[in-house]
Amino acid sequence: GQQLNQSPQSMFIQEGEDVSMNCTSSSIFNTWLWYKQDPGEGPVLLIALYKAGELTSNGRLTAQFGITRKDSFLNISASIPSDVGIYFCAGQETSGSRLTFGEGTQLTVNP
Amino acid sequence: DVKVTQSSRYLVKRTGEKVFLECVQDMDHENMFWYRQDPGLGLRLIYFSYDVKMKEKGDIPEGYSVSREKKERFSLILESASTNQTSMYLCASSFGSRFYNEQFFGPGTRLTVL
Repeated sequence: GQQLNQSPQSMFIQEGEDVSMNCTSSSIFNTWLWYKQDPGEGPVLLIALYKAGELTSNGRLTAQFGITRKDSFLNISASIPSDVGIYFCAGQETSGSRLTFGEGTQLTVNP
Repeated sequence: DVKVTQSSRYLVKRTGEKVFLECVQDMDHENMFWYRQDPGLGLRLIYFSYDVKMKEKGDIPEGYSVSREKKERFSLILESASTNQTSMYLCASSFGSRFYNEQFFGPGTRLTVL
């Protein structure tokens, strides 16, 4: 199936720093989503994007649907310890109906 | 809020056993999904269902089957568990076709097959 390349695989940052992560695909997607998974829990939807170029915020989180429709970015500003977890991107191709997930970015925030 | 519950958080089974994982959602969602999550591989779709008694294979259906007799309940069955099915299993649900992708996940079942 379709593969999503998510980077970085892991990040270790200090509290208060900003964070950026991204996902790229070899084919066009019509939907991008970002999820966060806390330790021992299932993923929770953070942001959904449906249009190329769309920029959407959810509190300190901002995500963008790349203009080429082959990538998406997630930024977290002024990180806090509860931002710790795994962040997944997911996308839906124009021709299919299933979500494809990235491998995840493990975020660690040092107080 | 949508609530997706899974019958067990942790499960230990022996090779060859038949295993049932149950998932229930309380928001009248049409779509339900089963994924497995393994380190470095992200989430992979096993099966999904868009209506009662309807099921579709995902990317890795081999060794699994599913049952959806009621709208709120979606069961994953391992007919004969094997050690390579040791994994975290996640159930999800979503509403209709328009919001198909906005999936709500349960807490997961960590299955160990010995």
